[in-house]
Amino acid sequence: DAKTTQPPSMDCAEGRAANLPCNHSTISGNEYVYWYRQIHSQGPQYIIHGLKNNETNEMASLIITEDRKSSTLILPHATLRDTAVYYCIVFMNRDDKIIFGKGTRLHILP
Amino acid sequence: EAGVAQSPRYKIIEKRQSVAFWCNPISGHATLYWYQQILGQGPKLLIQFQNNGVVDDSQLPKDRFSAERLKGVDSTLKIQPAKLEDSAVYLCASNYRTGGTKSGYTFGSGTRLTVV
Repeated sequence: DAKTTQPPSMDCAEGRAANLPCNHSTISGNEYVYWYRQIHSQGPQYIIHGLKNNETNEMASLIITEDRKSSTLILPHATLRDTAVYYCIVFMNRDDKIIFGKGTRLHILP
Repeated sequence: EAGVAQSPRYKIIEKRQSVAFWCNPISGHATLYWYQQILGQGPKLLIQFQNNGVVDDSQLPKDRFSAERLKGVDSTLKIQPAKLEDSAVYLCASNYRTGGTKSGYTFGSGTRLTVV
């Protein structure tokens, strides 16, 4: 079973920051938080991942709480192309299996 | 770098027929996965290969599903006989090593199967 809880859907206005929350209260010390997204008719695409520290790349920022029980994915300036299902996943790299939950369906409103 | 290739892109078959899907992972990726994604749900892992050996097939319905990865490169997933509930997108993914880090997982675009 997936170890994360996400809201089923969210709306965000185009050009605004999209903040997608994820709860992972049972995360263990050596488990990473990964985010993937799936645009319609495509396979999931890697966005970002982190262990303890906040991370930023060209696509997004990942904010992990100090107790690591929750995190937020931030898309700084959402565009219509960011409309997708976003999956928050926790797993140990050595475990090497991604178990998906239901994700959050993000709608970007023009 | 070429991505994970899957074919066919779409397939429509009648129930009780057989069907096969093909996956070519990224060159050098030792680990290969097949996922089943039913409409409205997240992908579900069916089977994991490490080179040409099966690491985990606990979620594979072995009475009708089979998969192989000969020579540790390409892989095929077969369903025989198909049922209506097998209608889904079948995704293939590869990873460059067991215990890999970062963005090692790369997914193909999937094969959409419709069983009528």
